[in-house]
Amino acid sequence: AQKVTQAQTEISVVEKEDVTLDCVYETRDTTYYLFWYKQPPSGELVFLIRRNSFDEQNEISGRYSWNFQKSTSSFNFTITASQVVDSAVYFCALRSGSARQLTFGSGTQLTVLP
Amino acid sequence: NAGVMQNPRHLVRRRGQEARLRCSPMKGHSHVYWYRQLPEEGLKFMVYLQKENIIDESGMPKERFSAEFPKEGPSILRIQQVVRGDSAAYFCASSPSGLAENYEQYFGPGTRLTVT
Repeated sequence: AQKVTQAQTEISVVEKEDVTLDCVYETRDTTYYLFWYKQPPSGELVFLIRRNSFDEQNEISGRYSWNFQKSTSSFNFTITASQVVDSAVYFCALRSGSARQLTFGSGTQLTVLP
Repeated sequence: NAGVMQNPRHLVRRRGQEARLRCSPMKGHSHVYWYRQLPEEGLKFMVYLQKENIIDESGMPKERFSAEFPKEGPSILRIQQVVRGDSAAYFCASSPSGLAENYEQYFGPGTRLTVT
């Protein structure tokens, strides 16, 4: 069975602080894909990144960076110099083995205060 | 290239009525997925369809819920005799055919269903 745990329900930071959102996953498959999505207050889901299980290189995209560690089954997401527009719910998701559907974590509500 | 379209964006139904949610996948996509997001929760998979076929409905409630993706037209998620617990956001996603490892799922804006 697949499972994604986002232990941080809510995080509040002040603008320009760095913040890390944690994601821990469980799967028995050796081939799997990890995703992060952003859900702003308007409600739509915005795709941020996909990572496959064979690529443990960390990735940076502007103020966003992702740290994938198979040894700890974690795929953490860091926002550097946070901005108010980063306020949203962030979901980590897993697609594992031959399954095509995604298993989502329960999400982390990030609030960035001015 | 238009994204995944869902309509209506907001739907209000009284208890006992039927709700029909529509999803038009991205052009060229032949796989559709429905997810439900209950208040304060993450998204939960409901059903995966290809044209004219239900591939995986392991997340669908056993009663009152059905889904289809006809040869022509949008995918439909149908909820009969709605109850208050059906109030949620329903998201549709689509992906192209081909090797599963080479795609992302593209999500629509969701339909917010409120049952009064």
